[in-house]
Amino acid sequence: DAGVTQSPTHLIKTRGQHVTLRCSPISGHKSVSWYQQVLGQGPQFIFQYYEKEERGRGNFPDRFSARQFPNYSSELNVNALLLGDSALYLCASSSLWGVGTGELFFGEGSRLTVL
Amino acid sequence: EDQVTQSPEALRLQEGESSSLNCSYTVSGLRGLFWYRQDPGKGPEFLFTLYSAGEEKEKERLKATLTKKESFLHITAPKPEDSATYLCAGVNFGNEKLTFGTGTRLTIIP
Repeated sequence: DAGVTQSPTHLIKTRGQHVTLRCSPISGHKSVSWYQQVLGQGPQFIFQYYEKEERGRGNFPDRFSARQFPNYSSELNVNALLLGDSALYLCASSSLWGVGTGELFFGEGSRLTVL
Repeated sequence: EDQVTQSPEALRLQEGESSSLNCSYTVSGLRGLFWYRQDPGKGPEFLFTLYSAGEEKEKERLKATLTKKESFLHITAPKPEDSATYLCAGVNFGNEKLTFGTGTRLTIIP
């Protein structure tokens, strides 16, 4: 079975641009979460979606937004990119609406570089 | 604010040399404490969930334990393939977000 897939795997943008990152969860999983991991740091929670509704939001500015589609895939959008947005963006899926047992299944991430 | 602190930041061991990684947390109303393994360029991979003080979980050469203030990941007779960054994360009853520590980068030298 396919795991969590993310695209693109790498991308380079310049300051002020917009980026869209995509995630397909494991088949049958209805919950998708997004995390930002800056080099040398642990992942930081951005959003969680379950059944197409936002269930949680981390301490990120309004430039960050996300949505979940009827097939449970998800998009993360970041507007007006700043240098500090350079990071690995991780998508995680689970079969439960919440963290539950903590067994989130992570994708390999989208590495964003902002110049 | 919930906080998870891991030590040491990096650890180099000879193959077969056992040691422990520490995770201390200040998560109000802790609901669960999780350990993940992350290889370079990959997403984290789930290892263990611990729910209450005194609980222990084992998997191959790894054993995770939990007290009221910290968790330990014990690695016994490690092999080079155990080299990775080990992340600790907590979740409280108020929300569904994982609060991660910065990780311990473990290197096992053959």
